[in-house]
Amino acid sequence: EVQLVESGGGLVQPGGSLRLSCAASGFSFSTYVMTWVRQAPGKGLEWVSTVTDSGENTYYADSVMGRFTISRDNSRNTLYLQVNSLRAEDTAVYYCARQIITSRCFDSWGQGTLVTVSS
Amino acid sequence: QSTLTQPRSVSGSPGQSITISCTGTSSDIGGSNYVSWYQHHPGKAPKLLIYDVTKRPSGVPDRFSGSKSGNTASLTISGLQAEDEADYYCWSFAHSWVFGGGTMLTVL
Repeated sequence: EVQLVESGGGLVQPGGSLRLSCAASGFSFSTYVMTWVRQAPGKGLEWVSTVTDSGENTYYADSVMGRFTISRDNSRNTLYLQVNSLRAEDTAVYYCARQIITSRCFDSWGQGTLVTVSS
Repeated sequence: QSTLTQPRSVSGSPGQSITISCTGTSSDIGGSNYVSWYQHHPGKAPKLLIYDVTKRPSGVPDRFSGSKSGNTASLTISGLQAEDEADYYCWSFAHSWVFGGGTMLTVL
């Protein structure tokens, strides 16, 4: 069974940093593109960042470019999102998702981890 | 980044059919067969319903179907059930990677 379990969220002050993790199991993690998606309170889903299976190529939404860094450790079956220079508008539930490269869709999702940016 | 426009809300009675539209441009919906739809119950993980415009993953009931015409993709849910009450999002992978704004489905 495919499982994605996020962790690392919490309350952080504006300007602060966190590292989110997504532990994957039940599939060959190193062969899949992985993505972070977030949902702010009362808002819809927002694509945040994607990393290719090898970790060589990364992609970011304009809203997080230069502040967030996606990475992965295929030996640990874990996806990461380093979030720096946090703003109030980054408050959201952050989901990791497995992406099917041939269809560009997200076929498995985690339950999410909540990041709250507030003083 | 471009946006995909969905109705904010739709509603229907049990047993009825509803359709949710997702309107983009020739740079996303119109130019891509990589359109997918997701169901999201608040507090839960989103679920893939439709991919490649019309395909259903195994385990998704055939009450859910997808289509596309020009720059608009559509999700149709037939035989509405109470558990279908959720938020629904479209996604297009083309020149921009963007979700639709989401549609809240209410089952009356």
